[in-house]
Amino acid sequence: KAGVTQTPRYLIKTRGQQVTLSCSPISGHRSVSWYQQTPGQGLQFLFEYFSETQRNKGNFPGRFSGRQFSNSRSEMNVSTLELGDSALYLCASSSDGGWRAETQYFGPGTRLLVL
Amino acid sequence: DAKTTQPTSMDCAEGRAANLPCNHSTISGNEYVYWYRQIHSQGPQYIIHGLKNNETNEMASLIITEDRKSSTLILPHATLRDTAVYYCIPLRGSGGYNKLIFGAGTRLAVHP
Repeated sequence: KAGVTQTPRYLIKTRGQQVTLSCSPISGHRSVSWYQQTPGQGLQFLFEYFSETQRNKGNFPGRFSGRQFSNSRSEMNVSTLELGDSALYLCASSSDGGWRAETQYFGPGTRLLVL
Repeated sequence: DAKTTQPTSMDCAEGRAANLPCNHSTISGNEYVYWYRQIHSQGPQYIIHGLKNNETNEMASLIITEDRKSSTLILPHATLRDTAVYYCIPLRGSGGYNKLIFGAGTRLAVHP
């Protein structure tokens, strides 16, 4: 099976712009989680989607949003970009119907730079 | 969620065993100990998990103390490809409404 894919891999934006990142989970996986990784804060959970519904959400401002489509692909959007949003954004998909810690498969990430 | 304490960094010679400790003294009875690692420029990767008993798989062994307040991840024959940041994560395990909470982890450097 193909792994988790994320597009684009690299992105440069300017402050105030918005950005949309895409994540395609492993075939058959219905749970998609998003994480932000920065040198200062480390890896932080953003949100998790299952069957097009957000099931869990981390402590991020409302500028961070996401959605999941019927084919389980997920997008996350960041509006009104700030310099501090520069980070590696990772998504992970999980098998079958439940979230399982031992079957979280991460993608390579999208590296976002905000100038 | 239980707090964890891990060494900031460790070194290991190639071919030797790497023993990575984790202190999780506030772990609750229904929390498993999960270990993940992140190789540079890649997403995190699941390694192993356990509740009370020691566990072994093709990647590593996990030793959990009897009081469950600490654990040690053992890479029996470390290779250069094991150079990564290793995270110890107490977690209830399966089920919805869950998430991985990553601490700072231990940066393991394997040297030739």
